[in-house]
Amino acid sequence: DAGVTQSPTHLIKTRGQQVTLRCSPKSGHDTVSWYQQALGQGPQFIFQYYEEEERQRGNFPDRFSGHQFPNYSSELNVNALLLGDSALYLCASTRQGITYEQYFGPGTRLTVT
Amino acid sequence: AQSVTQLGSHVSVSEGALVLLRCNYSSSVPPYLFWYVQYPNQGLQLLLKYTSAATLVKGINGFEAEFKKSETSFHLTKPSAHMSDAAEYFCAVSDLTGNQFYFGTGTSLTVIP
Repeated sequence: DAGVTQSPTHLIKTRGQQVTLRCSPKSGHDTVSWYQQALGQGPQFIFQYYEEEERQRGNFPDRFSGHQFPNYSSELNVNALLLGDSALYLCASTRQGITYEQYFGPGTRLTVT
Repeated sequence: AQSVTQLGSHVSVSEGALVLLRCNYSSSVPPYLFWYVQYPNQGLQLLLKYTSAATLVKGINGFEAEFKKSETSFHLTKPSAHMSDAAEYFCAVSDLTGNQFYFGTGTSLTVIP
């Protein structure tokens, strides 16, 4: 049973560029959440997708957007990258109705130079 | 808003000694509470969760936590530390929808041989 997978593992971008991160949820899961974990900090909730719609959003600017596909996989897009966007981006999946059991992927390490 | 506070960003224990990692939550209603562990360059792994059933929760790898409403605490303990327990530990709280998790800033556990 494959767990949550994320790609790429590492990414280096230049300030002002755009980036897309990808996540495949655990088998049987239909809900995907994205978190940003800055160095030395706990994860911060960005948003959650269910039924291809953003269901809830944390305190992040509109530069952060997402998408969920019919197969439940998800993308996180960040536009106009800032140095402060450098972080580990974590994807978590769960199944509707059991939302307190979130399974996390290994993350994508984004470095903005 | 929900929040958690982890007391002590770094904790060192000797191998075989008791592990105690502290977490206090702020919530207007009984929340769901979680402890996650993160090893270097990896995602988060769920250790245990409290979802309003038994107040003493047992998790994986010999860890357990006790929900104390009167103290708004959910401290993590393990009777005997093992070298493999060295990692970053995060306490988290979610509301009853489970749509959004709030993480603490983490506690780095070092186990001294």
